[in-house]
Amino acid sequence: EVQLVQSGAEVKKPGESLKISCKGSGYTFSTYWIGWVRQMPGEGLDWMGIIYPGDSNTIYSQSFQGQVTISADTSINTAYLQWNSLKASDTAMYYCVTQPGRAYFDHWGQGTLVTVS
Amino acid sequence: VLTQSPGTLSFSPGERATLSCRASRSVGSNYLAWYQQRRGQAPRLLIYGASNRATGIPDRFSGSGSGTDFTLTISRLEPEDFAVYYCQQYGSSPRTFGQGTKVEIK
Repeated sequence: EVQLVQSGAEVKKPGESLKISCKGSGYTFSTYWIGWVRQMPGEGLDWMGIIYPGDSNTIYSQSFQGQVTISADTSINTAYLQWNSLKASDTAMYYCVTQPGRAYFDHWGQGTLVTVS
Repeated sequence: VLTQSPGTLSFSPGERATLSCRASRSVGSNYLAWYQQRRGQAPRLLIYGASNRATGIPDRFSGSGSGTDFTLTISRLEPEDFAVYYCQQYGSSPRTFGQGTKVEIK
């Protein structure tokens, strides 16, 4: 069974850095695209970007290019989403997702709530 | 751009629900997916390729459509089906979602 388990909720101040994680299991981590989706409070879903852990090929949505960094460590089957300088507008729930063939999102993590205040 | 309208639909349990998703330009190869998000939960994949049910999805959920007009039908609403539904296209980059339709209890 495919499982994506994300790190816990975070409360940060504007300007601080943050790295959240997503550990995959039940499949071959290095051969499956894994991405991140943002959901701001009371709002819809925004695709942020994806990474292919096998070769670290990363594609960002233009809206998030330069704002976040996506990375992965195949030795521990974990993907990351990182900010260097958080803003209040980064307050949201962040979901990691598997994305077969860079298409739809077939498995979702439980979400990590990031609060910047 | 994917447009889901109306934003909210009200039904009684047992009724049939039809949700709409309209694209501003044709979705290549019918690369359209539907997701359900229950309150306080992560979304889950219902339909991909416009009409293919994902693993474990009950057959009361069905998807149809092509080009710019797509539909999600729930044949008989169960209590757990009252949720928000999103469509998503993956025929072009970036992958984009509709704004969602909330299905609420009348």
